[in-house]
Amino acid sequence: GAGVSQSPSNKVTEKGKDVELRCDPISGHTALYWYRQSLGQGLEFLIYFQGNSAPDKSGLPSDRFSAERTGGSVSTLTIQRTQQEDSAVYLCASSLGTVQYFGPGTRLTVT
Amino acid sequence: ILNVEQSPQSLHVQEGDSTNFTCSFPSSNFYALHWYRWETAKSPEALFVMTLNGDEKKKGRISATLNTKEGYSYLYIKGSQPEDSATYLCAIPRGKLIFGQGTELSVKP
Repeated sequence: GAGVSQSPSNKVTEKGKDVELRCDPISGHTALYWYRQSLGQGLEFLIYFQGNSAPDKSGLPSDRFSAERTGGSVSTLTIQRTQQEDSAVYLCASSLGTVQYFGPGTRLTVT
Repeated sequence: ILNVEQSPQSLHVQEGDSTNFTCSFPSSNFYALHWYRWETAKSPEALFVMTLNGDEKKKGRISATLNTKEGYSYLYIKGSQPEDSATYLCAIPRGKLIFGQGTELSVKP
């Protein structure tokens, strides 16, 4: 079956521009997560949606970051006024139970 | 703050070598421990979910053990192959997953 998909796979943007990253979770999965891995760092939690509950935004590094999940399915992570420290691989995952299934990631480079 | 630590940070072995690495986590309020493998240019892939103290799980040449009382898990790879080259991540679930920094394994032919 189809796995988690993310787009774009690569994004190069200029400092100060806004970017949108998209995640299509596995159909029927109620939970959706965003993580990122910056160079030399581990996987860092950003935000987590579970069903209709309020999202857990505790990992968002600043108010320039926001995410939404429409219709309990597709999610968009938006980074406003990008900075060079936002350069990272952004991973989306979805789950129905314990195991999280990851997408291939979006590599964001801010120049 | 929940601290999950992995060691070593990186490991270089020859094909055929057996290897192991460690994940340490707080032993209090333990619920589960996840191991993932992340190959370059691919998605992280779940290897094991471990919940019981003394648990041992196996998948081909890869196995893992769990000690919840002292707060550690070992991942073993027997007879490493170049295709085992990847970053191995452990994580503790707290709604989201709290990951360690990973162990980057490189297996040379």
